[in-house]
Amino acid sequence: QSVLTQPPSASGTPGQRVTISCSGGTSNIGHNTVSWYQQVPGTAPKLLIYNSNQRPSGVPDRFSGSTSGTSASLVISGLQSEDEADYYCAAWDDSLNGRGLFGGGTKLTVL
Amino acid sequence: EVQLVESGGGLVQAGRSLRLSCAASGFNFGDYAMYWVRQRPGKGLEWVSGITWNTGIIRYADSVKGRFTISRDNVKSFLYLQMDSLRTEDTAFYYCVKDRTSMIMPTTLDYWGQGTLVTVSS
Repeated sequence: QSVLTQPPSASGTPGQRVTISCSGGTSNIGHNTVSWYQQVPGTAPKLLIYNSNQRPSGVPDRFSGSTSGTSASLVISGLQSEDEADYYCAAWDDSLNGRGLFGGGTKLTVL
Repeated sequence: EVQLVESGGGLVQAGRSLRLSCAASGFNFGDYAMYWVRQRPGKGLEWVSGITWNTGIIRYADSVKGRFTISRDNVKSFLYLQMDSLRTEDTAFYYCVKDRTSMIMPTTLDYWGQGTLVTVSS
């Protein structure tokens, strides 16, 4: 059971807007920024969002992130077939002397 | 181009040791924090350990604390993970990962290696 909780699955049709949530606590999302990663099966993960809402160069602006209290969200606008992948949130956790945390992951299916 | 190439994975019996290495190139290795992240087959990502640019701060996941040791050689541009007292639940792909900054807080993993598979048999 991950300390950062994500829905196991999400889906949408091409062109739709999809939101993936990540719920944490005061020692992680409530106090530190969040990053999001995309992993296509069989490949290494890729950074999508950092500092909760910043995109690295090369990441389309269809991807956006936000936080509110102890929760974070990844929004994918204008869904495309190549967005079908697993998505993970991550944050630093200040408890237990500090550690990194990942959410359990959300499998996004493009219908 | 940033490249992270892991090596040292393989099949090992429970209770034994293994040392993973990660050769870094394409960036000034000594300026950045580094991590090991693992993924059990078919499962999610698990943060294993992080080390700041100057080894001033090192942290471990509870699941590996006391058994795994992360280290780095900034002259040779290598990251290491010494894994002792291995358990079957340590079976996973192990990724070498670079941070955007010199610190491990907040964790921002911007470049990932392709991973090396560690299989621990009983």
